[in-house]
Amino acid sequence: DGGITQSPKYLFRKEGQNVTLSCEQNLNHDAMYWYRQDPGQGLRLIYYSQIVNDFQKGDIAEGYSVSREKKESFPLTVTSAQKNPTAFYLCASISLRAGGKGYTFGSGTRLTVV
Amino acid sequence: AQKITQTQPGMFVQEKEAVTLDCTYDTSDPSYGLFWYKQPSSGEMIFLIYQGSYDQQNATEGRYSLNFQKARKSANLVISASQLGDSAMYFCAMSPRNTDKLIFGTGTRLQVFP
Repeated sequence: DGGITQSPKYLFRKEGQNVTLSCEQNLNHDAMYWYRQDPGQGLRLIYYSQIVNDFQKGDIAEGYSVSREKKESFPLTVTSAQKNPTAFYLCASISLRAGGKGYTFGSGTRLTVV
Repeated sequence: AQKITQTQPGMFVQEKEAVTLDCTYDTSDPSYGLFWYKQPSSGEMIFLIYQGSYDQQNATEGRYSLNFQKARKSANLVISASQLGDSAMYFCAMSPRNTDKLIFGTGTRLQVFP
């Protein structure tokens, strides 16, 4: 079945460490997105990519980095510059022809700083 | 500024009753899309219903309907015949100019009791 796979489901990070969250899709979608969710808040856009080897900052990109070397993959690195990384991270993808209607979300990664 | 407002942090409804979750939006774009997503405790985002700004009729999907009042800039979700499995967080979202980016509200936690 087609879908988005995020791994790991739970991730623990020590202070000062970089960690990478994986997002893979087999839907042949053009665009991929990373959102952050904090308790009591909606999703906020971190980074997005509409084409391979190109990506754009979202509303809260500071302290994060991404790459898009393959259409299927859009990993997110949470760097030590991100001062409050504990949150739930969701990856999503769409076919650009579908506009906003075609969003598919992964099941998320819960990151905790210890 | 483009914004989604959900003023109900939590709602309770008895099984088999109908419930309305409120959503207002702010945009100056003539073309936009409005969405509702359900997020169970497992974390994934489940698409429920979509309404385009030019759609003449309110969208319906099974037990879900969207009460779209364009002049009031509201897009309330109506769930009929609530079920225990409807207990979850519900997010209203907007895609400005029907682009691929989504702006989310802060969500409403719905609890269905027997």
